Amino acid sequence: AQSVTQLDSHVSVSEGTPVLLRCNYSSSYSPSLFWYVQHPNKGLQLLLKYTSAATLVKGINGFEAEFKKSETSFHLTKPSAHMSDAAEYFCVVSKLAGSARQLTFGSGTQLTVLP
Amino acid sequence: DSGVTQTPKHLITATGQRVTLRCSPRSGDLSVYWYQQSLDQGLQFLIQYYNGEERAKGNILERFSAQQFPDLHSELNLSSLELGDSALYFCASSASGMYQETQYFGPGTRLLVL
Repeated sequence: AQSVTQLDSHVSVSEGTPVLLRCNYSSSYSPSLFWYVQHPNKGLQLLLKYTSAATLVKGINGFEAEFKKSETSFHLTKPSAHMSDAAEYFCVVSKLAGSARQLTFGSGTQLTVLP
Repeated sequence: DSGVTQTPKHLITATGQRVTLRCSPRSGDLSVYWYQQSLDQGLQFLIQYYNGEERAKGNILERFSAQQFPDLHSELNLSSLELGDSALYFCASSASGMYQETQYFGPGTRLLVL
């Protein structure tokens, strides 16, 4: 079965410092992995996705993630945090069910950015 | 703005009642998905439709049902509502529902059952 584990429920960083949000996945085959962000009272926005083309994936707003098969990880990073990055982040794995596709969400990581 | 619209934005109702949530997918997208986000269960996939037909089911209760119409909009019907059904309900759409496709999410409908 496909699943994701977000290792931190809360992460707090100072503005201008690096961001690291950790995600481990479990999948019986090469997975499709995504990071989504949810700002307060907003819907979910796709940050980036991995679909086996390249292990380092660049997303929007300066975020990137590296797929490491040996570590079954897909951590999200950003070199320098902005106040506007404060939000909840979800690591997501795509599960193939026949010809259909389901997303399985991690429990989320709340990112706080301190001035 | 993802291009996916959901109505209403907020809904307050009483236990035992029935409500209908509506979703319009992005222009050209054939597949619609419904998700529930609650504090205790997190984000869960409920059901997927593709071009009017049910394609996949997740953790959807028997009291809940959905359909996708010929114009591709979708409705999620929740009946015999319980306090625990209070949650944020998201709709998402994608072009064809295939494996590596990106899903685009609407802003959600916040349901409060009193």
